Amino acid sequence: GNSVTQMEGPVTLSEEAFLTINCTYTATGYPSLFWYVQYPGEGLQLLLKATKADDKGSNKGFEATYRKETTSFHLEKGSVQVSDSAVYFCALSGSQGNLIFGKGTKLSVKP
Amino acid sequence: DTEVTQTPKHLVMGMTNKKSLKCEQHMGHRAMYWYKQKAKKPPELMFVYSYEKLSINESVPSRFSPECPNSSLLNLHLHALQPEDSALYLCASSQERKYQETQYFGPGTRLLVL
Repeated sequence: GNSVTQMEGPVTLSEEAFLTINCTYTATGYPSLFWYVQYPGEGLQLLLKATKADDKGSNKGFEATYRKETTSFHLEKGSVQVSDSAVYFCALSGSQGNLIFGKGTKLSVKP
Repeated sequence: DTEVTQTPKHLVMGMTNKKSLKCEQHMGHRAMYWYKQKAKKPPELMFVYSYEKLSINESVPSRFSPECPNSSLLNLHLHALQPEDSALYLCASSQERKYQETQYFGPGTRLLVL
Protein backbone atom coordinates (compact mmCIF):
# COMPACT_ATOMS: atom_id res chain seq x y z
CA GLY A 1 0.00 0.00 0.00
CA ASN A 2 0.90 3.66 -0.12
CA SER A 3 3.26 4.92 2.58
CA VAL A 4 5.59 7.77 3.49
CA THR A 5 8.89 7.48 5.31
CA GLN A 6 10.59 10.56 6.63
CA MET A 7 13.65 11.03 8.77
CA GLU A 8 12.82 11.08 12.42
CA GLY A 9 14.17 13.86 14.51
CA PRO A 10 14.65 15.74 16.42
CA VAL A 11 16.84 17.83 14.13
CA THR A 12 18.72 20.64 15.87
CA LEU A 13 20.40 23.35 13.82
CA SER A 14 21.96 26.73 14.41
CA GLU A 15 20.41 29.77 12.81
CA GLU A 16 21.41 30.24 9.14
CA ALA A 17 22.34 26.56 8.74
CA PHE A 18 21.22 24.51 5.73
CA LEU A 19 18.24 22.23 6.28
CA THR A 20 17.38 18.94 4.63
CA ILE A 21 14.57 16.68 5.82
CA ASN A 22 14.40 13.46 3.84
CA CYS A 23 11.11 12.02 2.66
CA THR A 24 10.58 8.94 0.49
CA TYR A 25 7.32 7.39 -0.55
CA THR A 26 5.76 4.22 -1.89
CA ALA A 27 2.72 4.69 -4.07
CA THR A 28 0.85 3.34 -7.05
CA GLY A 29 -0.15 5.87 -9.64
CA TYR A 30 0.83 9.51 -9.53
CA PRO A 31 -0.01 11.01 -6.16
CA SER A 32 0.40 14.63 -5.18
CA LEU A 33 3.08 15.22 -2.54
CA PHE A 34 2.90 17.74 0.28
CA TRP A 35 4.87 19.22 3.12
CA TYR A 36 2.85 20.47 6.07
CA VAL A 37 4.25 22.39 9.03
CA GLN A 38 2.88 22.40 12.56
CA TYR A 39 4.06 25.13 14.92
CA PRO A 40 3.79 24.46 18.66
CA GLY A 41 0.19 24.36 19.84
CA GLU A 42 -1.25 24.92 16.36
CA GLY A 43 -2.87 23.04 13.49
CA LEU A 44 -1.23 21.99 10.23
CA GLN A 45 -0.34 24.57 7.60
CA LEU A 46 0.33 23.65 4.01
CA LEU A 47 3.95 24.59 3.34
CA LEU A 48 4.31 23.46 -0.28
CA LYS A 49 3.12 20.85 -2.74
CA ALA A 50 3.95 19.21 -6.05
CA THR A 51 1.52 17.40 -8.29
CA LYS A 52 3.71 15.63 -10.86
CA ALA A 53 7.20 14.33 -11.45
CA ASP A 54 9.96 16.99 -11.57
CA ASP A 55 7.64 19.66 -10.15
CA LYS A 56 9.30 21.87 -7.57
CA GLY A 57 7.19 23.25 -4.76
CA SER A 58 8.45 26.31 -2.94
CA ASN A 59 7.30 28.67 -0.22
CA LYS A 60 8.96 30.91 2.42
CA GLY A 61 12.42 29.81 1.29
CA PHE A 62 11.58 26.10 1.52
CA GLU A 63 11.79 23.89 -1.56
CA ALA A 64 11.08 20.28 -2.47
CA THR A 65 11.26 18.50 -5.83
CA TYR A 66 9.05 15.55 -6.79
CA ARG A 67 11.55 12.88 -7.86
CA LYS A 68 9.83 9.86 -9.34
CA GLU A 69 13.05 7.97 -10.11
CA THR A 70 14.10 8.03 -6.45
CA THR A 71 10.53 8.24 -5.04
CA SER A 72 11.61 11.18 -2.93
CA PHE A 73 10.37 14.63 -1.93
CA HIS A 74 13.10 16.02 0.32
CA LEU A 75 12.52 19.37 2.02
CA GLU A 76 15.33 21.93 1.88
CA LYS A 77 15.99 25.47 3.06
CA GLY A 78 19.21 27.36 2.57
CA SER A 79 19.23 29.33 5.80
CA VAL A 80 16.92 28.44 8.69
CA GLN A 81 15.63 30.88 11.28
CA VAL A 82 14.55 30.38 14.87
CA SER A 83 10.98 30.94 13.69
CA ASP A 84 11.22 27.79 11.53
CA SER A 85 11.22 25.63 14.66
CA ALA A 86 8.24 23.30 14.21
CA VAL A 87 7.23 19.77 13.25
CA TYR A 88 7.30 19.04 9.53
CA PHE A 89 5.10 16.34 7.97
CA CYS A 90 5.57 14.85 4.53
CA ALA A 91 2.34 13.49 3.02
CA LEU A 92 0.95 12.02 -0.16
CA SER A 93 -2.55 11.93 -1.56
CA GLY A 94 -4.29 8.57 -1.23
CA SER A 95 -6.61 7.02 -3.77
CA GLN A 96 -9.69 7.86 -1.68
CA GLY A 97 -8.84 11.53 -1.37
CA ASN A 98 -7.23 10.94 2.02
CA LEU A 99 -3.76 12.03 3.09
CA ILE A 100 -1.06 9.56 4.09
CA PHE A 101 1.41 11.17 6.49
CA GLY A 102 4.95 10.43 7.52
CA LYS A 103 5.67 10.35 11.24
CA GLY A 104 6.85 13.95 11.36
CA THR A 105 10.24 15.54 11.97
CA LYS A 106 10.73 18.01 14.78
CA LEU A 107 13.09 20.85 13.91
CA SER A 108 14.67 23.06 16.57
CA VAL A 109 16.70 26.07 15.46
CA LYS A 110 18.99 27.67 18.02
CA PRO A 111 20.06 31.34 17.85
CA ASP B 1 -8.44 32.81 1.33
CA THR B 2 -7.68 29.29 2.55
CA GLU B 3 -9.08 29.59 6.04
CA VAL B 4 -10.72 26.84 8.03
CA THR B 5 -11.97 27.88 11.46
CA GLN B 6 -12.60 25.65 14.45
CA THR B 7 -14.30 26.28 17.77
CA PRO B 8 -13.67 25.97 20.60
CA LYS B 9 -9.89 26.19 20.72
CA HIS B 10 -9.75 24.26 23.98
CA LEU B 11 -12.29 21.96 25.63
CA VAL B 12 -12.26 20.12 28.93
CA MET B 13 -15.03 17.61 29.53
CA GLY B 14 -15.96 14.84 31.89
CA MET B 15 -16.70 11.32 30.75
CA THR B 16 -20.46 11.83 31.14
CA ASN B 17 -20.65 15.14 29.27
CA LYS B 18 -21.96 15.84 25.80
CA LYS B 19 -20.15 18.47 23.78
CA SER B 20 -19.70 19.45 20.15
CA LEU B 21 -16.80 20.65 18.04
CA LYS B 22 -17.48 22.98 15.16
CA CYS B 23 -15.64 23.54 11.91
CA GLU B 24 -16.40 26.10 9.20
CA GLN B 25 -15.00 26.99 5.78
CA HIS B 26 -16.13 29.49 3.18
CA MET B 27 -13.95 28.43 0.28
CA GLY B 28 -16.72 26.56 -1.52
CA HIS B 29 -15.03 23.25 -0.77
CA ARG B 30 -17.24 20.17 -1.04
CA ALA B 31 -15.12 17.75 1.01
CA MET B 32 -14.52 18.06 4.74
CA TYR B 33 -12.51 15.88 7.10
CA TRP B 34 -12.05 15.16 10.79
CA TYR B 35 -8.66 14.03 12.04
CA LYS B 36 -7.43 13.06 15.49
CA GLN B 37 -3.85 13.83 16.47
CA LYS B 38 -2.17 12.45 19.58
CA ALA B 39 0.99 14.06 20.92
CA LYS B 40 4.07 13.52 18.75
CA LYS B 41 2.09 11.57 16.15
CA PRO B 42 0.77 12.43 12.69
CA PRO B 43 -2.94 13.09 12.25
CA GLU B 44 -5.20 10.05 11.85
CA LEU B 45 -8.25 10.26 9.62
CA MET B 46 -11.60 9.78 11.35
CA PHE B 47 -14.34 10.85 8.94
CA VAL B 48 -14.74 12.26 5.45
CA TYR B 49 -17.78 14.08 4.09
CA SER B 50 -18.24 14.65 0.40
CA TYR B 51 -21.11 16.83 -0.79
CA GLU B 52 -22.53 16.69 2.75
CA LYS B 53 -22.67 12.90 2.76
CA LEU B 54 -20.49 10.71 4.95
CA SER B 55 -18.19 8.82 2.63
CA ILE B 56 -15.48 7.46 4.96
CA ASN B 57 -15.72 6.36 8.58
CA GLU B 58 -12.42 4.94 9.71
CA SER B 59 -13.92 2.56 12.28
CA VAL B 60 -14.36 5.34 14.79
CA PRO B 61 -16.22 4.47 18.05
CA SER B 62 -19.86 5.57 18.16
CA ARG B 63 -19.15 8.01 20.98
CA PHE B 64 -17.93 10.28 18.14
CA SER B 65 -20.80 11.36 15.91
CA PRO B 66 -20.12 13.61 12.90
CA GLU B 67 -22.65 15.85 11.24
CA CYS B 68 -22.51 18.01 8.13
CA PRO B 69 -25.53 20.37 8.21
CA ASN B 70 -24.46 22.23 5.06
CA SER B 71 -21.54 22.53 2.69
CA SER B 72 -19.71 25.04 4.89
CA LEU B 73 -20.15 23.48 8.29
CA LEU B 74 -18.95 20.30 9.96
CA ASN B 75 -19.66 19.25 13.53
CA LEU B 76 -18.31 16.49 15.71
CA HIS B 77 -20.61 15.50 18.56
CA LEU B 78 -18.94 13.94 21.57
CA HIS B 79 -20.61 11.76 24.20
CA ALA B 80 -19.30 9.50 26.94
CA LEU B 81 -15.69 9.95 25.93
CA GLN B 82 -12.77 8.21 27.58
CA PRO B 83 -9.54 9.81 28.85
CA GLU B 84 -7.66 8.21 25.95
CA ASP B 85 -9.76 10.35 23.60
CA SER B 86 -7.82 13.40 24.76
CA ALA B 87 -6.11 14.76 21.67
CA LEU B 88 -5.99 17.58 19.14
CA TYR B 89 -8.96 17.33 16.77
CA LEU B 90 -8.29 18.81 13.38
CA CYS B 91 -10.75 19.71 10.67
CA ALA B 92 -9.71 20.03 7.03
CA SER B 93 -11.37 20.77 3.72
CA SER B 94 -10.61 20.33 0.03
CA GLN B 95 -12.22 21.30 -3.23
CA GLU B 96 -13.42 17.75 -3.80
CA ARG B 97 -12.78 14.32 -2.30
CA LYS B 98 -10.57 13.03 -5.01
CA TYR B 99 -7.05 12.02 -5.82
CA GLN B 100 -4.41 14.75 -5.68
CA GLU B 101 -6.58 17.36 -3.98
CA THR B 102 -4.98 19.69 -1.48
CA GLN B 103 -6.40 19.67 2.04
CA TYR B 104 -6.42 22.84 4.17
CA PHE B 105 -6.45 22.44 7.93
CA GLY B 106 -7.94 24.45 10.73
CA PRO B 107 -6.09 25.31 13.95
CA GLY B 108 -7.66 22.42 15.85
CA THR B 109 -9.54 21.90 19.10
CA ARG B 110 -7.45 20.62 21.97
CA LEU B 111 -9.64 18.24 23.96
CA LEU B 112 -8.99 16.99 27.47
CA VAL B 113 -11.24 14.28 28.88
CA LEU B 114 -11.16 13.92 32.63
